[in-house]
Amino acid sequence: DIVMTQTPLSLSVTPGQPASISCKSSQSLLHSDGKTYLYWYLQKPGQPPQVLIYEVSNRFSGVPDNFSGSGSGTDFTLKISRVEAEVVGVYYCMQTLQFPYTFGQGTKLEIK
Amino acid sequence: QVQLQESGPGLVKASETLSLTCTVSGGSINGHYWSWIRQPPGKGLEWIGYIFSSGSTNYNPSLKGRVTISVDTSKNQFSLKLSSVTAADTAVYYCARLRGSYTNWGQGTLVTVSS
Repeated sequence: DIVMTQTPLSLSVTPGQPASISCKSSQSLLHSDGKTYLYWYLQKPGQPPQVLIYEVSNRFSGVPDNFSGSGSGTDFTLKISRVEAEVVGVYYCMQTLQFPYTFGQGTKLEIK
Repeated sequence: QVQLQESGPGLVKASETLSLTCTVSGGSINGHYWSWIRQPPGKGLEWIGYIFSSGSTNYNPSLKGRVTISVDTSKNQFSLKLSSVTAADTAVYYCARLRGSYTNWGQGTLVTVSS
């Protein structure tokens, strides 16, 4: 299985400040079709995960440009340019390159 | 806009079979891969498996052959069966389409395994 490792596991950020979450995969997520199958999700309390980013850097429909994704191969980063109350929750990375699909452990973001 | 809704019993007895259905609305189930994912209370996410609309499947080996996913294209539904459940199978179960810009998740349904 591809192991997805997120750091940090928790993050406390002052409102208005940026935040960054790292996700490393145990194998490259680059497919022979040229796409890299790495997603980022945010799960707010009591809600299902909502997709933020697909294929490393593509913002999902309706996701504000406050969120951006980058990376390649095995190293990926989610950046939040300005932390506000609406971005509080648990962030997960996920790979869909290889079965079984796997998730990172989650990073809990809270407001300081 | 495609919406997914899980349905099924919220309580299952240990050693029995958990059965859930996901109804897809606002779009056709044909031509897409449909997944089940679960999340034990307070824990992370686990992908269970998927089915293509033609019926081909792929399951997470961690569930050791207890999983069956089926599809009923006439009803625009797909289903999950998990046999020989234990307390470790207590979780919120989500159905989802995991495909880039076409990604959709249901709201999830809590299934509790009782002894």
